[in-house]
Amino acid sequence: DIVMTQSPDSLAVSLGERATINCKSSQNVLYTSNNKNYLAWYHQKPGQPPKLLIYWATTRESGVPDRFSGSGSGTDFTLTISSLQAEDAAVYYCQQYYSPPYTFGQGTKLEIK
Amino acid sequence: QVQLVESGGGVVQPGRSLRLSCVASRFTFSNYGMHWVRQAPGKGLEWVAFISYDGSTKYYADSVKGRFTISRDNSKNTLYLQMNSLRPEDTAVYYCVKGSQSGDDYVSFNIWGQGTLVTVSS
Repeated sequence: DIVMTQSPDSLAVSLGERATINCKSSQNVLYTSNNKNYLAWYHQKPGQPPKLLIYWATTRESGVPDRFSGSGSGTDFTLTISSLQAEDAAVYYCQQYYSPPYTFGQGTKLEIK
Repeated sequence: QVQLVESGGGVVQPGRSLRLSCVASRFTFSNYGMHWVRQAPGKGLEWVAFISYDGSTKYYADSVKGRFTISRDNSKNTLYLQMNSLRPEDTAVYYCVKGSQSGDDYVSFNIWGQGTLVTVSS
């Protein structure tokens, strides 16, 4: 199984500042035949289901603000929120869909400082 | 608006069975692979099972293999999860989730239901 490890487990960032969350996979999730990284980012607010933010490691889902961006390839990935807004407080998860089981990271709790 | 509505959760004793259902609306259900993902109280997300658009391919997490069965009825736009030999560690909110691209097993999860709570306790 591919193990997904996020860092940090939690962070507090001031409004308007940049937030960065890292995700490392235990195996490569880049499929060389199509040059796509099978990596997604979600966030989850209390009492709500998760919401897809980023897929193919760098593609923003429709309707997701452009302050959210994804980067990385192979085994190391980053989610960046360029200018934190109050509504961005949530738990963030990375996930690989390269091979089943489609594992998630343990989550990173993002709070507003 | 695309919608997934789960039902069937509740309190059940260890060793008993439960069947979850998920009704899909406002998209062509028969074109998309579907998943179940669960979340224990206060914990992270755990993928449980996948079924391809036509039901020909199924995958399971090791933690549920041999006990849970995923199925679908495309004529009823409904996804199911039959859960047998339930254990206290199966206690969680169970989400029905849609794959983001039609006909593909290896895609992100773009639509999530609100979830249904399963509590396994004596």
